This record gives sequence, structure tokens and C-alpha cells, in this order.
Amino acid sequence: TQLLEQSPQFLSIQEGENLTVYCNSSSVFSSLQWYRQEPGEGPVLLVTVVTGGEVKKLKRLTFQFGDARKDSSLHITAAQTGDTGLYLCAGGETSGSRLTFGEGTQLTVNP
Amino acid sequence: GAVVSQHPSWVICKSGTSVKIECRSLDFQATTMFWYRQFPKQSLMLMATSNEGSKATYEQGVEKDKFLINHASLTLSTLTVTSAHPEDSSFYICSARGLGVDTQYFGPGTRLTVL
Repeated sequence: TQLLEQSPQFLSIQEGENLTVYCNSSSVFSSLQWYRQEPGEGPVLLVTVVTGGEVKKLKRLTFQFGDARKDSSLHITAAQTGDTGLYLCAGGETSGSRLTFGEGTQLTVNP
Repeated sequence: GAVVSQHPSWVICKSGTSVKIECRSLDFQATTMFWYRQFPKQSLMLMATSNEGSKATYEQGVEKDKFLINHASLTLSTLTVTSAHPEDSSFYICSARGLGVDTQYFGPGTRLTVL
């Protein structure tokens, strides 16, 4: 079973600050997805990265897939209150169709 | 992006009754659908994987006779919680994946409350 460790578990910051969320594993993943989930709703896909070393930007969000495809990071610049939510990383298993989810990072951006 | 719907969005039932939750992929053919369970402030826990036309594969510790999964078409999967009990109360989320694609697209979830 592949495991993904996500950190930090909780993060409370002020509007305008920068932050980084990490997902680490000892296993190689075929792809890495990042999702954002609001209370009472399903996760919404933010990005999929598939190539080692890949960097993708989505406005103020920057996603990076590690060279060895074992880890990933999400960096948010100048956080806004609307960024508040549960951020989940999920790795696509090389041996099948399942996703391995990290434990999630609950981000609160205070005004 | 791909759209996945779930119905109902919430349901309240009495202990001992059965509840069916539907998951539909609206604009793509979902060769594989997944059912997850999520407790408050926690990540998603995979319950089972279903491929269209075949029996579902259940994760360890998930009772297949209690959580019946049917994936009869490329756009519809159903999860039936049989003889529901209060401990089955949870947020159930489905996701769908197309052929040859890693990305899963999630439904909006169903809040089940068993009294």
C-alpha cells in the first residue's frame, strides 16, 4: 500500500501571507492530483501533474511534482480569505487505478 | 471539466432501512467509479472500486454485503447501504474516471444521517 504524508495538517494565516503545503511519500506515483474541498461538498480538482519536475501555475497557486515523482508541493502566494478550505493531495498508483490520498491540510485565511 | 452528480445530496433515514445513492458522470463515460467515505475534518477513505459491468472490489474492512455497489452502465453507479445503523452516518462521495485517465472527478457528496 502506498502512503502519502501531507503537512501541515492545519494552517491558519493572515490574508496576504504566503504558504506551502507538502505531500511526501517513499513510493513513486504515476501522477499527482491536488484538490480543494469546502464543507459539505465534494473535492474539486485543481491540477494534475504527471512528469517528474513538472511545475504548473494556476493564478496564485504553484504546484510542483518532485523529480522522482514521490513528492509534491502546493504554494499559494498572497493568500485570500477565499482560499480557505481543505486541500488534498492524491497520488495515482502505478499498479492500478486507485488514488492514495494525503490526510489533508485545513487552511484558514483570516481577514 | 468533467461533471459528476450525486443524488440525493442528503438523506435522513431510520435505523434498519436501506438507502440508495446514485452517482452519474454527466459528460463522459466513466469506465471506473469509486466510492469514498469521509468523516468530519478527515481525508477521504476509499470503500470500493467498480468497473462497468464487473463486480466491485472492496477495500479491507468494508462489508460488501452491507454496502452494495452496482455499476451497470458507463454513466451510473449506485451504492446501497443496507440495514443502515447510526454508525453508518457519514459523508459519502463518489468519483469517476475515464478510460486511460488517472484523474478522478468527484461528485458533490451525499450526507447520510441514520437515526
